Amino acid sequence: DSGVTQTPKHLITATGQRVTLRCSPRSGDLSVYWYQQSLDQGLQFLIQYYNGEERAKGNILERFSAQQFPDLHSELNLSSLELGDSALYFCASSPRFESYEQYFGPGTRLTVT
Amino acid sequence: LAKTTQPISMDSYEGQEVNITCSHNNIATNDYITWYQQFPSQGPRFIIQGYKTKVTNEVASLFIPADRKSSTLSLPRVSLSDTAVYYCLVGVGDDKIIFGKGTRLHILP
Repeated sequence: DSGVTQTPKHLITATGQRVTLRCSPRSGDLSVYWYQQSLDQGLQFLIQYYNGEERAKGNILERFSAQQFPDLHSELNLSSLELGDSALYFCASSPRFESYEQYFGPGTRLTVT
Repeated sequence: LAKTTQPISMDSYEGQEVNITCSHNNIATNDYITWYQQFPSQGPRFIIQGYKTKVTNEVASLFIPADRKSSTLSLPRVSLSDTAVYYCLVGVGDDKIIFGKGTRLHILP
């Protein structure tokens, strides 16, 4: 158990819909990262927040957005969903501003039908 | 961001020591070397991180030669439960993180 929690564990929705994924980092960790993992794309970095501020952006689509709240939990919003958005979405946290030492949550499996 | 090269897959037997080598010829002075393990449908798990020489923890050892252009993750006495994908990352975390394809390690009984 990494100490990072993600909800929900599974999500099934239809194309065109909007969903919100939630992540609670390890106690004390200020950095939160979001990743997408699909079978054909591997693990893709989406975005990082540090203490409430966006710090780095990866291959995140304009239909996707995220935020980190004052209590440090983070939410990833996915809108106008397409079949290709079906994937595992992982959240990770780190105690440092920039670090490859990250602790991943169990993931949310999103299925778009 | 330093590019890394790892074997696509490896097989070994239970009880053996497994060494997975990662090549990173253009590693920068400030870069660290980090290894992750991932089981199917689970998030990657941080294994070990090092800068130079040797680092050891309860799970693995990381060997880094003086030129730092490669590194070797060593897993002692593997078991079937060590079957997973292992990723090598090089950097300081100040850029977009790229996990790559990793090495699929298959432990045989």
